[in-house]
Amino acid sequence: GNSVTQMEGPVTLSEEAFLTINCTYTATGYPSLFWYVQYPGEGLQLLLKATKADDKGSNKGFEATYRKETTSFHLEKGSVQVSDSAVYFCALSSPNTGNQFYFGTGTSLTVIP
Amino acid sequence: NAGVTQTPKFQVLKTGQSMTLQCAQDMNHEYMSWYRQDPGMGLRLIHYSVGAGITDQGEVPNGYNVSRSTTEDFPLRLLSAAPSQTSVYFCASSKGGQLFFGPGTRLTVL
Repeated sequence: GNSVTQMEGPVTLSEEAFLTINCTYTATGYPSLFWYVQYPGEGLQLLLKATKADDKGSNKGFEATYRKETTSFHLEKGSVQVSDSAVYFCALSSPNTGNQFYFGTGTSLTVIP
Repeated sequence: NAGVTQTPKFQVLKTGQSMTLQCAQDMNHEYMSWYRQDPGMGLRLIHYSVGAGITDQGEVPNGYNVSRSTTEDFPLRLLSAAPSQTSVYFCASSKGGQLFFGPGTRLTVL
């Protein structure tokens, strides 16, 4: 079946530190992969996505590369800001399962000045 | 476009009460879904719909009903609220492989 495993939080970083949040997946067929972000008190917003192997999604300085050989989609940012404090969710969608979305448990990030 | 809207934002119920969480979207999306978000468990799919008149169960459907009489609306009904249904509920619609979320409803069942 389909599932997403992402790194446990919470993560606390100083401003300008490097961020990595690990995400691995199990899926049938060829899924699309996503990172969603949830700022305090809000719903989830799409941060970036990749639809095929070796694609790199990027947005707001965040990047993630679709690695089929390691079934991973790790989120990275070179220099985090206080405004990046949020909960980050890795997710997949597979046409083999009616394009339903499967989410990881979320990783809470706090960036301190 | 308002996107996906949900009402109410907050609700407190007593055990055994029933209520309906409202969800509407103005993007003409065929696919709509309901998730609940609980600490340490991420988002779990409750029910979904691929178009008006069609609904199906997700991962955790027990205790919830849905209907989809129009493309725009997808209400979630709690038949007899239980403390285990205390959660944050998100409605989402989808097009082009992307989910669009509403702002959520925080429900507490006493």
